[in-house]
Amino acid sequence: SAVISQKPSRDICQRGTSLTIQCQVDSQVTMMFWYRQQPGQSLTLIATANQGSEATYESGFVIDKFPISRPNLTFSTLTVSNMSPEDSSIYLCSVEGLGLVTEAFFGQGTRLTVV
Amino acid sequence: RKEVEQDPGPFNVPEGATVAFNCTYSNSASQSFFWYRQDCRKEPKLLMSVYSSGNEDGRFTAQLNRASQYISLLIRDSKLSDSATYLCVVNDEASGGSYIPTFGRGTSLIVHP
Repeated sequence: SAVISQKPSRDICQRGTSLTIQCQVDSQVTMMFWYRQQPGQSLTLIATANQGSEATYESGFVIDKFPISRPNLTFSTLTVSNMSPEDSSIYLCSVEGLGLVTEAFFGQGTRLTVV
Repeated sequence: RKEVEQDPGPFNVPEGATVAFNCTYSNSASQSFFWYRQDCRKEPKLLMSVYSSGNEDGRFTAQLNRASQYISLLIRDSKLSDSATYLCVVNDEASGGSYIPTFGRGTSLIVHP
């Protein structure tokens, strides 16, 4: 299993500003995932972050808006840039377990409100 | 595009009822399958893995039908505490032997007295 510490747990931000969310994992993992979950919706994958390479973004998400860092195998950040009220959402980081049958482990989530 | 489809519900059932959720997935090469539970304002947490042979954990039974690309979750003797959103998750192999999970939109369950 993996224990993930995600912070901040919540924030209220002014439009036009940026927020960086951090995830720290208690073990080394190859891939980390960043998700967005809007109210009443399921999780939408923003990007996959591998250590030592650029993140891979899903359709509809771009690096300029959601820059990601992955400096080592236990840490990653997601920045929500130039925020607007439409960015209000829960942001979750996730890692996979080890072995063939892998489950995902999640951080506690960051509840972002943009005003 | 890989898709995981679930009936969003909500399913509104009385205590003690049996309720079943279904999920279909589009990628026949998908590797592993899970049901997660998400409570309001919380992160998803693993409920159980799903195997072709079917697996049972107390009141919960999960089934996988690879031929039909179909996953199910059965909850017997529903409790008030079972009220939550149940997410179907399918893992697809990525480069380097890792896996990328795709989430269904979730099925909401409300168990009432």
